Amino acid sequence: NAGVTQTPKFQVLKTGQSMTLQCAQDMNHNSMYWYRQDPGMGLRLIYYSASEGTTDKGEVPNGYNVSRLNKREFSLRLESAAPSQTSVYFCASSEVGTGELFFGEGSRLTVL
Amino acid sequence: RKEVEQDPGPFNVPEGATVAFNCTYSNSASQSFFWYRQDCRKEPKLLMSVYSSGNEDGRFTAQLNRASQYISLLIRDSKLSDSATYLCVVIDYMDSNYQLIWGAGTKLIIKP
Repeated sequence: NAGVTQTPKFQVLKTGQSMTLQCAQDMNHNSMYWYRQDPGMGLRLIYYSASEGTTDKGEVPNGYNVSRLNKREFSLRLESAAPSQTSVYFCASSEVGTGELFFGEGSRLTVL
Repeated sequence: RKEVEQDPGPFNVPEGATVAFNCTYSNSASQSFFWYRQDCRKEPKLLMSVYSSGNEDGRFTAQLNRASQYISLLIRDSKLSDSATYLCVVIDYMDSNYQLIWGAGTKLIIKP
């Protein structure tokens, strides 16, 4: 019962480095999300994918790119990391139009 | 003004007490509402949906007040394990799209 799996769980980057966060779900969900969570600010949507082959910007997309590789996988890429991107990143999946999201365990990213 | 607002707390409550907190939303057309629970340094997990008629699950009761535009969560006979941050989510449907709007969470600490 894996659910939503994110990797890596922890990462430290230097300013300007790039990296990709990987996410996979095994629940056959159409919708997948990438959120970031900062203290006191709740979850902010970075990108969203309603189905395989589609992606849409969320509230805070600048500095990120995504790829919906197939129905299972949705990756988030930081092309040139900045200290402002230090955060906890959560991937989630759901059926389309529902509020029942299943989250991965999170990826804690520090940009120095 | 934030679209979904929660008192950040923390609410410090003795074990066995009843505690309630609210989540206000700004869009009167919002249609779906949920409570999530997030333990420290963990991912959010769905606690319960909030129906127009209210919803009860064991010690937890969720209610919707459309006139005043808020949802509430009441916890009876609180346990130490109820200590967590409680996030509310509101779903707005616009045309053929939907948007999940998250509150920043209310931190609850149950004391022995």
